[in-house]
Amino acid sequence: AQSVTQLGSHVSVSEGALVLLRCNYSSSVPPYLFWYVQYPNQGLQLLLKYTTGATLVKGINGFEAEFKKSETSFHLTKPSAHMSDAAEYFCAVTLASGNTPLVFGKGTRLSVIA
Amino acid sequence: DGGITQSPKYLFRKEGQNVTLSCEQNLNHDAMYWYRQDPGQGLRLIYYSQIVNDFQKGDIAEGYSVSREKKESFPLTVTSAQKNPTAFYLCASHSRGKHQPQHFGDGTRLSIL
Repeated sequence: AQSVTQLGSHVSVSEGALVLLRCNYSSSVPPYLFWYVQYPNQGLQLLLKYTTGATLVKGINGFEAEFKKSETSFHLTKPSAHMSDAAEYFCAVTLASGNTPLVFGKGTRLSVIA
Repeated sequence: DGGITQSPKYLFRKEGQNVTLSCEQNLNHDAMYWYRQDPGQGLRLIYYSQIVNDFQKGDIAEGYSVSREKKESFPLTVTSAQKNPTAFYLCASHSRGKHQPQHFGDGTRLSIL
């Protein structure tokens, strides 16, 4: 079965600093990987996804993630944090084949300090 | 605009009472999902449905029930057997194909009176 580990339940960065949110997955077959963002009392919104092809994926709001098969990682980055980036971020994985639903990590809360 | 509507936004349950959370989508999506969100726990899958009149249990189905009589609707009933129902409940859907991202509603927050 596939699983996702997000390192760090809370990450704090200064405004303008690099954002790095870590995600490692476990999957015996090629995965599909997703990053979602959640603002307080709202549902989740898709930031970006990796299915096949280019391993560096660009998403909305200046975020990007790189799929590294050798490291089983899909870390989310943004060069310069903005106050509006403060939210909770979820990494999720599903298998490219078969009928398994999406599995979410436990989330990382990002705080941005002025 | 197309989207997913969850209602009500806030819901209170008395001891021994069943309550039903509504989820409606007008995106013409085949698959629909219910998740429970607790602080620090991420999203845990309760039930999902990939086609009308069919659904499967997720990781934490005990104390919950669902139906999928129409493509647009996937209501979740929290029964009295669910002893710790206080949580944020999220409904999601996606179109055919596993690479398709899930679209989420804005959630229902359920509390015990």
